[in-house]
Amino acid sequence: AQKVTQAQTEISVVEKEDVTLDCVYETRDTTYYLFWYKQPPSGELVFLIRRNSFDEQNEISGRYSWNFQKSTSSFNFTITASQVVDSAVYFCALSETNTGNQFYFGTGTSLTVIP
Amino acid sequence: GAVVSQHPSWVICKSGTSVKIECRSLDFQATTMFWYRQFPKQSLMLMATSNEGSKATYEQGVEKDKFLINHASLTLSTLTVTSAHPEDSSFYICSAQRGRYNEQFFGPGTRLTVL
Repeated sequence: AQKVTQAQTEISVVEKEDVTLDCVYETRDTTYYLFWYKQPPSGELVFLIRRNSFDEQNEISGRYSWNFQKSTSSFNFTITASQVVDSAVYFCALSETNTGNQFYFGTGTSLTVIP
Repeated sequence: GAVVSQHPSWVICKSGTSVKIECRSLDFQATTMFWYRQFPKQSLMLMATSNEGSKATYEQGVEKDKFLINHASLTLSTLTVTSAHPEDSSFYICSAQRGRYNEQFFGPGTRLTVL
């Protein structure tokens, strides 16, 4: 079974629009970590955020914000006022302490911001 | 922040040759390193978990005799693709784990093309 589901395969938005990337996870661990990474065409993963299971506070960093809701096992990512430079593939990932901390990646969402 | 390097960043080789990819944690010691493979337009799939001083743990379906992993020191893990074939062409990414709080840092990746 897929531990991390990113239902949106591809999204296109016009510059300055807001966009939300969905992430739903599945785990039986009480202690786990959730991540978002950006992968531009160069391939290098860019770390965006790390959240542990005990911290449900939403976070805002500039134009980026994250909504973590344990009740729905979701960890959604919103980009406000999107820019062309935001175009990339975004991966949500889960790490569980009882499986040796390996990462389970979602299938990724390819975001295209149209100028 | 912690830095993980990979060398080479890209390699092209003939079918049947072996290719070694290095993963180094530059400013911290990593008892555990992970190797991932990513095919075009797909997610990252864990290949193996590498622990310093012990044998690597391979994921189901990954041939341990084909993908040799050596984690000889706390800052270096190597992945050798033996007798590479075109179907091994992929993007290989390593990550290094720091500390016991599940901080993982990803390398920039190595793009392997087998002709």
